[in-house]
Amino acid sequence: TQLLEQSPQFLSIQEGENLTVYCNSSSVFSSLQWYRQEPGEGPVLLVTVVTGGEVKKLKRLTFQFGDARKDSSLHITAAQPGDTGLYLCAGALDDFNKFYFGSGTKLNVKP
Amino acid sequence: NAGVTQTPKFQVLKTGQSMTLQCAQDMNHNSMYWYRQDPGMGLRLIYYSASEGTTDKGEVPNGYNVSRLNKREFSLRLESAAPSQTSVYFCASSERYGTGVNQPQHFGDGTRLSIL
Repeated sequence: TQLLEQSPQFLSIQEGENLTVYCNSSSVFSSLQWYRQEPGEGPVLLVTVVTGGEVKKLKRLTFQFGDARKDSSLHITAAQPGDTGLYLCAGALDDFNKFYFGSGTKLNVKP
Repeated sequence: NAGVTQTPKFQVLKTGQSMTLQCAQDMNHNSMYWYRQDPGMGLRLIYYSASEGTTDKGEVPNGYNVSRLNKREFSLRLESAAPSQTSVYFCASSERYGTGVNQPQHFGDGTRLSIL
């Protein structure tokens, strides 16, 4: 079993719709990162959240870290085809250099 | 600025063959990592190097060895390749270890490895 469970695994929506991706664990993380990956490329960092309850916004993307630092969510408002990709969450426990990744959410936004 | 460069980009091996995946970063980062990505599994950490001269096991180290050649380079070796090691391998780097705030990782574009 993976330390971080992401849901849903796949998401296909129309342009303009809203969506939320979840990242859950029974472990407490020192921080959690969200990455986006496009086919044939490596993941690219979107955001890092550190404090329980923290909310960060990146244009139409809103990231939240759970109060207990065990879960996180990514909300996209008015999705666009350019948002299409694989979204990955990654958390680190006590050892700041060891990151555990979720299995990813593959998002397809249709025009 | 190249960032993290991985070679080769593609490789096909036969079971039992050995090979080394190369990774170099030009961002003067202290920490480097090797991951494998399999369908439905996300990325799993194989080995990491917190700083030059140190290496540690990650989640899935069996069947692999690593060498932190210098600050820039971190290689991953498969001594006797097995079909279960067919995967996409990513190298990443980050600035510093132990700052109290996790550093962002910068990834290469991966090596696609098939073992027949």
